[in-house]
Amino acid sequence: EDQVTQSPEALRLQEGESSSLNCSYTVSGLRGLFWYRQDPGKGPEFLFTLYSAGEEKEKERLKATITKKESFLHITAPKPEDSATYLCAVQVHSGNTPLVFGKGTRLSVIA
Amino acid sequence: EAGVAQSPRYKIIEKRQSVAFWCNPISGHATLYWYQQILGQGPKLLIQFQNNGVVDDSQLPKDRFSAERLKGVDSTLKIQPAKLEDSAVYLCASSFGGVLNEQFFGPGTRLTVL
Repeated sequence: EDQVTQSPEALRLQEGESSSLNCSYTVSGLRGLFWYRQDPGKGPEFLFTLYSAGEEKEKERLKATITKKESFLHITAPKPEDSATYLCAVQVHSGNTPLVFGKGTRLSVIA
Repeated sequence: EAGVAQSPRYKIIEKRQSVAFWCNPISGHATLYWYQQILGQGPKLLIQFQNNGVVDDSQLPKDRFSAERLKGVDSTLKIQPAKLEDSAVYLCASSFGGVLNEQFFGPGTRLTVL
């Protein structure tokens, strides 16, 4: 069975304190790994897609990396507006199949 | 570009009542998904449409949930009768399909069953 595990469940950082979120996955055939940001009362907002080990993507203070077993979302010098739940999801086999999500990491950045 | 639209945003019903949710995907997106997100969990797929055909409904509780996508555009998800455990956020997502497989989500409908 395809599984996605995110850690930690919750993370509290001071503004400017860099850290990383982890997404471990066990799937039969990875097509893509996705990172989403979800603010309270809103739907997930697409951040990145990673397709193969060694790939990296960056957007502002966020950088996503991936190995054959896990992905990291690195947050550099976070600001309070980065506070949100970050969801990791995998897509298997083909390019038109549903996403399997982890439970997410709730990030709080304190000024 | 307009995003995925959903309505209503909130709904409160008594158990055993019926409820329906509506979704309008991004223009040109052939694939439409309905996900259920229980508080503290990641979204879980209920049903996937490709144009107006069902691709995957293996996790849809078919004794009480139904969904349709007429003319391959808008979609409705219905629950009849609702149970307490159906309290969740119902998210609609769409994607272009093929190699462009990023899914874009609507704001969701928060359902509370009393």
